[in-house]
Parts: sequence; structure tokens; C-alpha cells
Amino acid sequence: AQKITQTQPGMFVQEKEAVTLDCTYDTSDPSYGLFWYKQPSSGEMIFLIYQGSYDQQNATEGRYSLNFQKARKSANLVISASQLGDSAMYFCAMRGMDSNYQLIWGAGTKLIIKP
Amino acid sequence: EAGVTQFPSHSVIEKGQTVTLRCDPISGHDNLYWYRRVMGKEIKFLLHFVKESKQDESGMPNNRFLAERTGGTYSTLKVQPAELEDSGVYFCASSQELGTEAFFGQGTRLTVV
Repeated sequence: AQKITQTQPGMFVQEKEAVTLDCTYDTSDPSYGLFWYKQPSSGEMIFLIYQGSYDQQNATEGRYSLNFQKARKSANLVISASQLGDSAMYFCAMRGMDSNYQLIWGAGTKLIIKP
Repeated sequence: EAGVTQFPSHSVIEKGQTVTLRCDPISGHDNLYWYRRVMGKEIKFLLHFVKESKQDESGMPNNRFLAERTGGTYSTLKVQPAELEDSGVYFCASSQELGTEAFFGQGTRLTVV
């Protein structure tokens, strides 16, 4: 069965520092996708970044990058130069044929950026 | 272009009452998903529509939940009768193709008292 593990329930980071949010996954599916979503206090779920299992390069989207280590089954999100507006819940999710293309979610990490 | 919209944003109902949640996906998105996050637990899949057909409803918790997507446009999720454990945030998402990123609505926070 597919599973996503986020081991950091909460993190405090100083503004302008880089932050890494951990995500490990488990799947027997040879083809899968990994996603990161941000949920601010307003409640909406905002798509941040996507990594396909066959992608050769790590995905990047502005200040977000995904540190994809396939052999270790990890897909950590790196936010560079953190901003106060980055304070939110962050969810790692996975989708593949094994899950019939439904998203399997981690428990989330609550990130708080300190001024 | 409008994103995924959900209505209402909040709903407080008494145990035993009925509540209907609505989701309007992004125009042209055939795939529509419902997820929910019960307090303190992980986000869980409920069901997946492709146009008006239920592709996968393996996540629906019980027969008190009924989802429809008439005409392949908006979708409704009805809970009847609501129980205390149904409280949580219900998310709707849509995607153009199967396997591409899903765009989420702002969620409906349901509180059953």
C-alpha cells in the first residue's frame, strides 16, 4: 500500500532562512507523482510543485524546489529565502496507478516563519 | 479563469440534519475529486468523478454520504443524516487529465454539533 510520511509536525524558521520540509514515501508502483501543497490559515489548498518518478531533474518553481532522492524514497520540499507569508500547513502527497490516481496524503507540517 | 469554488465555506448543523456541499470545478476539467480532513487526521480521498460518472468511490465512508455530478459540471456531496464524526474540512479538486495536478477549492468546514 502507498504511504506518505511527514515526520515534522511543526517547524519554526527565521525569516529569510531556507527551510526543508521532509517527506518520505512508500510505494511499489513504478510510475508515480509527488506533490506538495500549501494550506494557509484561510483554508484553501494551493498546489506548489510536482515531481514525476521518471523525471531526471529535481523540480523547481520559483523559491520552491523538490529534493527528490528516488533510492531513499524521499521528496523533501526546500523553500529558499523564507517569507512571513510562507507560514502555513504544508502537505506532501503522492499519486499513482496503485492508488487509482487518487492522492495519498501525509499528515502535514505546520511551518511558522518568525520575523 | 475561475478556480475551483466550494459552497458553503462553513456549515454548522445539528446531528441528524442533512447538509449538501457544492463544488464547481474549473471549466473543462473532466476529473473531479472529493477529499476530507477530519480533525487531527490525514486528508483522505472520498471519490472521483470522470465527467458525470463515478470512477472511484472507494473512499466514501458509508451510505450516509451521497455524491452526484449531474451533467458532468458541478458536484454535490450530501450527508444525511449527519453524525458528529463527519465534522471536518471537505475539499473538492479538479484536474484536466488523469494524473495531472489537481487544483483545489478553499474547502468547506463542516461542524456537526
